[in-house]
Order: sequence, then structure tokens, then C-alpha cells
Amino acid sequence: GAGVSQTPSNKVTEKGKYVELRCDPISGHTALYWYRQSLGQGPEFLIYFQGTGAADDSGLPNDRFFAVRPEGSVSTLKIQRTERGDSAVYLCASSANLGVDNEQFFGPGTRLTVL
Amino acid sequence: SQELEQSPQSLIVQEGKNLTINCTSSKTLYGLYWYKQKYGEGLIFLMMLQKGGEEKSHEKITAKLDEKKQQSSLHITASQPSHAGIYLCGADIQGGSEKLVFGKGTKLTVNP
Repeated sequence: GAGVSQTPSNKVTEKGKYVELRCDPISGHTALYWYRQSLGQGPEFLIYFQGTGAADDSGLPNDRFFAVRPEGSVSTLKIQRTERGDSAVYLCASSANLGVDNEQFFGPGTRLTVL
Repeated sequence: SQELEQSPQSLIVQEGKNLTINCTSSKTLYGLYWYKQKYGEGLIFLMMLQKGGEEKSHEKITAKLDEKKQQSSLHITASQPSHAGIYLCGADIQGGSEKLVFGKGTKLTVNP
């Protein structure tokens, strides 16, 4: 498909477990973003990549959260020692260019539930 | 505190009616994006506004950014059930930043 894809679409895990969420951006998009959306809230910025490097990770809530993009395409968001408060929809977006008129294309999200 | 305030939080209208959703910030909006979201789906881009006083339209949806670049409105003319969903405004409030801050969204229901 031509859009941003995310896997899995749903993930249920137990408190304390480790999870990985995957994002496949639109081919050729150099910028990739992760957001987290809790119920009834707007998306909250976590991190963004320009190429392989994390250009801004100021939104990561704590050191249990980590994201990588080793080849400048697919990205993985990793959460260690999950907590119930981590339950949310994790959204990935990609864009072609940097700049203020830069449209971010969003994926469908991964719904994470921590029991 | 919420950096972008959206109003109303929810809106129920009869098909064919016009409606307006507002997005307000205490800071300058360097780039203002309107998205639509349906349950279980990602955000669908609607429009982006950058310049003070700018106005854009697509089909029956019009978005405006005020001269001071601190408020935007989204207006839907002759609403249809297909317009139902959650409308989110997102913005760069730092200037040249890649990260967007979002409002909480406005849930729109259009009754046939």
C-alpha cells in the first residue's frame, strides 16, 4: 500500500512486559514521527527522526521508551517494563520534507493495552 | 495546561446544517493543521494554514487562520453524515519545529 502502516494493530500485554511497535513509513519519506494518543485526548508528540537519527526525542516520557530507525525507513518503538498508564494508541506519521508546510501522513495506529 | 484549546468539545447537528469548530492558542501558530479522525483509524489531513488571514477551502470545508495567528476556525457548509468524526487541530507553536501539539479534538455527529 501507499500509506503509512503500523503493526500490530492491537497489542495486549501484561504489566512489566516488553513490547515493540513497528512503523513502515511512506516510501521515500525522510522524516518519521511517533505520537501517543490517550482516550479523549489529542495526539502527544514522542519523538521524530530525520533519516536514521532521532532529531527530537523530547516527548519520550521516561527511559523505558526508546525508538530506533536503523536504516532510515522502518522504525520500532520499544517500551520496557510496561505500566498500565502506557495504554494508549501509538500513532506513527511520516513526511517528505522538513519545514512548516510539511504535511505529516499518519498511520492507523497500534492500540496498546497493558493489563 | 492545554496549549491548543478546541471548542466545542462535541457537536451534534442535523444533516444540512452549517457548523464551526474553533482552535485557540495563547502562542503564535506558525503552522496550523486540521485533521479528521474516525474511531480506530489514523488522522486524515484536511488543510494546512500558515499565513495570518489565510483561508483555504476543500469541497464544503473552509479553514481560516486569524491575522494574529492565534486562532483558527473550521467551517462545514451543508453538513452530511460523512462529515462525522473527530476534528483535530495541530500546530507548530515553536516556529520551525517538526513536532506538532494537538488540541483534544471536537467530536462531530451529523444526524440524517
